[in-house]
Amino acid sequence: AQSVTQPDIHITVSEGASLELRCNYSYGATPYLFWYVQSPGQGLQLLLKYFSGDTLVQGIKGFEAEFKRSQSSFNLRKPSVHWSDAAEYFCAFTEGNQFYFGTGTSLTVIP
Amino acid sequence: EAQVTQNPRYLITVTGKKLTVTCSQNMNHEYMSWYRQDPGLGLRQIYYSMNVEVTDKGDVPEGYKVSRKEKRNFPLILESPSPNQTSLYFCASSPVGGALYNEQFFGPGTRLTVL
Repeated sequence: AQSVTQPDIHITVSEGASLELRCNYSYGATPYLFWYVQSPGQGLQLLLKYFSGDTLVQGIKGFEAEFKRSQSSFNLRKPSVHWSDAAEYFCAFTEGNQFYFGTGTSLTVIP
Repeated sequence: EAQVTQNPRYLITVTGKKLTVTCSQNMNHEYMSWYRQDPGLGLRQIYYSMNVEVTDKGDVPEGYKVSRKEKRNFPLILESPSPNQTSLYFCASSPVGGALYNEQFFGPGTRLTVL
């Protein structure tokens, strides 16, 4: 069955440090992949998406993600984390008209 | 302001008492969807709608109903709520092309507790 996995339930980083959140997918063809962020008490906001072409995708708020077909991964990165990046991050993919989300990674940023 | 609104934001009810959570969007989006969010499970799609009068099941449709009589509204109906439907519910909408190509815009969420 098609699925997306986020291996890290919770990550803590220091402000200013780099960040990488992992996402692995299981899908027969090239999936359409997304990263969403959920700030505390809020709905979800799209950070970036990948459909085809350049495997390095730039998003909002200084985030980027790299699609690696050989590793079935779509990891999210940010070179320098800000305290306001503390949130829950969801990787997702779409098949047909259905959406499948990962279980999320909670990010804590310490001063 | 472009937005997706949900009402109520918080609801405590008892088992078996029918309830409706409303969802409305003002962006003229064709695609609308309902999700539930549970700790450790992420978001799971309940139902989605490609357009007026067109609805389809998502991953976890049991115990829920939806209707799409108008483009802007997509209510979620729980005919006989049970405690396992206690959850945080999100409505989302997306423009032409469906979720396949476009960003989904999410509502603020409805926290439902079924006693």
